[in-house]
Amino acid sequence: ETGVTQSPTHLIKTRGQQVTLRCSSQSGHNTVSWYQQALGQGPQFIFQYYREEENGRGNFPPRFSGLQFPNYSSELNVNALELDDSALYLCASSQRVPPYEQYFGPGTRLTVT
Amino acid sequence: SQQGEEDPQALSIQEGENATMNCSYKTSINNLQWYRQNSGRGLVHLILIRSNEREKHSGRLRVTLDTSKKSSSLLITASRAADTASYFCATVPDSNYQLIWGAGTKLIIKP
Repeated sequence: ETGVTQSPTHLIKTRGQQVTLRCSSQSGHNTVSWYQQALGQGPQFIFQYYREEENGRGNFPPRFSGLQFPNYSSELNVNALELDDSALYLCASSQRVPPYEQYFGPGTRLTVT
Repeated sequence: SQQGEEDPQALSIQEGENATMNCSYKTSINNLQWYRQNSGRGLVHLILIRSNEREKHSGRLRVTLDTSKKSSSLLITASRAADTASYFCATVPDSNYQLIWGAGTKLIIKP
């Protein structure tokens, strides 16, 4: 069984730039959720993808967008980066049936300067 | 938005002691899950309790759920230095399938 992987591990970008983060789901999982976690905080839900369509979104602006591919891997894109976007970005894969237990990747640490 | 609230925010105990942390939530749930996060890394699923269950055990972990009070507790017995981490509760509401997270309890086990 292959676990959830994310790339890159760390990333430093400049304000105003764009970034793409990648996630590979655990085998057998068809749902991917993305979270933003600021230092010392719990994960904040960004959005979820199921069968290549966005299936629920948290309180994040449209400059946060995503994709899910036929192999269930996923990308998170953030445009016009702001300093407050600096955080750990977590991807989690799951099945679309209860109990919705999620399996997390190690995260991508994004720093915006 | 965050539904769960963990209490305490931080807990420091001696190795070998028991650690208890609590979680409260707001809406009716399908299940509640506890996760552990080591410093700055991904979350690891620990244990899940369904809304019709009151108590569950897994190794040194014991979880209780009181749906009337909308609260849960996680007990770690005979703590070890390796238990040092942040612990989060996450709920799956009845109305949808997306996890809603609390802010976490930071647990420090002193040798």
